[in-house]
Amino acid sequence: KQEVTQIPAALSVPEGENLVLNCSFTDSAIYNLQWFRQDPGKGLTSLLLIQSSQREQTSGRLNASLDKSSGRSTLYIAASQPGDSATYLCAVGSGNTPLVFGKGTRLSVIA
Amino acid sequence: GAVVSQHPSRVICKSGTSVKIECRSLDFQATTMFWYRQFPKKSLMLMATSNEGSKATYEQGVEKDKFLINHASLTLSTLTVTSAHPEDSSFYICSALTSDRDYGYTFGSGTRLTVV
Repeated sequence: KQEVTQIPAALSVPEGENLVLNCSFTDSAIYNLQWFRQDPGKGLTSLLLIQSSQREQTSGRLNASLDKSSGRSTLYIAASQPGDSATYLCAVGSGNTPLVFGKGTRLSVIA
Repeated sequence: GAVVSQHPSRVICKSGTSVKIECRSLDFQATTMFWYRQFPKKSLMLMATSNEGSKATYEQGVEKDKFLINHASLTLSTLTVTSAHPEDSSFYICSALTSDRDYGYTFGSGTRLTVV
């Protein structure tokens, strides 16, 4: 059974700092990995989708990497801003089956 | 991009009544939708998989008679919480497979259900 772990559970950083969120998964037979952002009381916003054949994806200040063989992914946020404060969820997919989610990292960026 | 519209965003109901939550795919056809429940400060818990034109598949421990799922068309799936009780109060989110090409998922904005 696939299990996804996110470290740290919570993180507080000053504005402007670069930061890394970690995600690990137990079964490397994945189709893709997706990072989401969730604001309090809101749904999920997809940030980056990495296919199993890819090593990384970038969108603006966000960069996600994937090392499928070691079961790890990182989300790098450059020059963090208070508006980046949210919960970041990592989820692995195996095609058209439900995503398996980690418990998330709650990020607070302090102005 | 692909959008899933979920309504209502917030609902308060009395114990014993039923509440229907709708999820619509706006610019794509969703043959499969997933329904999740989320408790405060917890991650998403999959409740059921909804397939267009067939019965939903429920996860272990989820009461199919309490959480009725209907996926009558390629753009609409509904979750009805029947005879709601305070313990059903939660955040419910739907998700749809956006593309058979890259298997990305998009999520609705969620429904906050409060049963009083």
